[in-house]
Amino acid sequence: EPEVTQTPSHQVTQMGQEVILRCVPISNHLYFYWYRQILGQKVEFLVSFYNNEISEKSEIFDDQFSVERPDGSNFTLKIRSTKLEDSAMYFCASSTDVSPLHFGNGTRLTVT
Amino acid sequence: AQSVTQPDIHITVSEGASLELRCNYSYGATPYLFWYVQSPGQGLQLLLKYFSGDTLVQGIKGFEAEFKRSQSSFNLRKPSVHWSDAAEYFCAVTLEGSGNTGKLIFGQGTTLQVKP
Repeated sequence: EPEVTQTPSHQVTQMGQEVILRCVPISNHLYFYWYRQILGQKVEFLVSFYNNEISEKSEIFDDQFSVERPDGSNFTLKIRSTKLEDSAMYFCASSTDVSPLHFGNGTRLTVT
Repeated sequence: AQSVTQPDIHITVSEGASLELRCNYSYGATPYLFWYVQSPGQGLQLLLKYFSGDTLVQGIKGFEAEFKRSQSSFNLRKPSVHWSDAAEYFCAVTLEGSGNTGKLIFGQGTTLQVKP
């Protein structure tokens, strides 16, 4: 069964550094998403992306965050200047227009 | 405000016993409902979904869930739990006609522990 793959599985970075989290969605999916889960808290929606543009974003997704689909297969989340509170598990997901979301295994981001 | 509540943060059951995990939502419109499971170190795997039609839906791994509009609930059940079911379970909701079925609202999760 096709899977959403995320790399790296664990990323450690220093506060103020830029980080890029990478995702390869399922190949025939057209909708892409990022969610995050701070330890002990709910899974939260960050952003959805369709047709090469953001279709919806949450209030968490401020100017420090950006997403990009640089080629036909990758979908990235960039955090421009990381803060301690950005430490979380970040999940990428993809879907068709009628399917439920398929999630990757996540990238654990630790900001020190 | 739209919300999803899983009243039980942690549940322990014996292997072979039945299981019910509760989920309540607060929405004014018709929701799409989902249950996801997260095993340690893994991503979120879809167990089952409800969009419309029969309110009792079957999922993978022997799970089922029942949508009760009058109670705003979508409880997950399994008649006989296996040790491998130990994981965290998330209920999630999105709105029909939202134009973006990907914006899921998650509950806080229920951690299931299975005793031998």
